[in-house]
Amino acid sequence: NAGVMQNPRHLVRRRGQEARLRCSPMKGHSHVYWYRQLPEEGLKFMVYLQKENIIDESGMPKERFSAEFPKEGPSILRIQQVVRGDSAAYFCASTEGGHSANEQFFGPGTRLTVL
Amino acid sequence: AQSVTQLGSHVSVSEGALVLLRCNYSSSVPPYLFWYVQYPNQGLQLLLKYTTGATLVKGINGFEAEFKKSETSFHLTKPSAHMSDAAEYFCAVSVGRKTSYDKVIFGPGTSLSVIP
Repeated sequence: NAGVMQNPRHLVRRRGQEARLRCSPMKGHSHVYWYRQLPEEGLKFMVYLQKENIIDESGMPKERFSAEFPKEGPSILRIQQVVRGDSAAYFCASTEGGHSANEQFFGPGTRLTVL
Repeated sequence: AQSVTQLGSHVSVSEGALVLLRCNYSSSVPPYLFWYVQYPNQGLQLLLKYTTGATLVKGINGFEAEFKKSETSFHLTKPSAHMSDAAEYFCAVSVGRKTSYDKVIFGPGTSLSVIP
């Protein structure tokens, strides 16, 4: 399967714990985007990364959230000290290039539930 | 800054009837426009996109959309709805710069139901 992979698909955490969400882009893609989707809402942009670089993090909350895309391995979205409001579906997408017209290929998402 | 509105959070059509999902955008420069579809518990999939050129864009599964600059609209249509079209549809916009990146802004989505 050469598509975008995300794991885990479902993640349950208690308030105060850490959540780590992983995204492996499509083969040959070096651009990764993270989005958050709340119930009955559209996707909200969080961060755009290239290998080893954060290009645009204008949608990331200032505290508790961080993202990385190392030279080797998947992109990681990390949420520290989770709160109930963090419960949402988190999607990553990848593109071959960074141009705005490029089709974004989405993963199946990680559904985070904070108890 | 770009923004997207989708009129109607829920649309129901009968099987075989016309599908019309509305999208209006706001952008200070020529936009790139997209329609994505999301089936339950899945990620989004691109239906079609407008970048430049012909304003009537054809996509997958029989869908098409027309870019109307004067109306700042990019409505999605399909002549005859099929049961498998039931899904969430998202309109999206990004700035049409030829040499650089800009983030994609998604609308709130329209849930399409198809009645047998």
